[in-house]
Amino acid sequence: AQSVSQHNHHVILSEAASLELGCNYSYGGTVNLFWYVQYPGQHLQLLLKYFSGDPLVKGIKGFEAEFIKSKFSFNLRKPSVQWSDTAEYFCAVRGMNTGFQKLVFGTGTRLLVSP
Amino acid sequence: KAGVTQTPRYLIKTRGQQVTLSCSPISGHRSVSWYQQTPGQGLQFLFEYFSETQRNKGNFPGRFSGRQFSNSRSEMNVSTLELGDSALYLCASSPSPGQWYNEQFFGPGTRLTVL
Repeated sequence: AQSVSQHNHHVILSEAASLELGCNYSYGGTVNLFWYVQYPGQHLQLLLKYFSGDPLVKGIKGFEAEFIKSKFSFNLRKPSVQWSDTAEYFCAVRGMNTGFQKLVFGTGTRLLVSP
Repeated sequence: KAGVTQTPRYLIKTRGQQVTLSCSPISGHRSVSWYQQTPGQGLQFLFEYFSETQRNKGNFPGRFSGRQFSNSRSEMNVSTLELGDSALYLCASSPSPGQWYNEQFFGPGTRLTVL
């Protein structure tokens, strides 16, 4: 069965600091990978996705993530965070080997950016 | 294009009652998934429907059920409510199957409180 692990439950940063949120998954086959963000009081929205090709994926608002297949990882990065990045971030994985595989989410990382 | 809509947005019930939540996907989307979001547990997959058929089911008791109609709208039902069912229930829709099928678009959720 697929599983997703997000190592940091809470992260506190000052504005302009660099961000890296860890995500590891367990699944033996081909995967699609996602990062979703939930701003306070708002819907979950997609930050970026990896389906195939270049393992370095760029998303909205200056976020990027790198898929490292050998490490089963898909870490999220941003070189310089802003106060408006305060939100909860979820990594998600969907196995692609057979049929309708469910989308599995990590437990989320709450990011607080202080001005 | 209108987003995913969920009704009602807030609901208060007492233990033992049952509840029905509704989800209207984005126009043209045929896949609907449901998730339970609680603090500390993140998003847990409930079920996924495509073309009125349940394609995937998470590890929830039989008290949780769902269905999808021919217009792709979906409902989920929870019978014999327990205190632990208090959560934000999220619905997500996806386009028709294909590579881009895996990108899910989330609704605002229904906040269920069980007293």
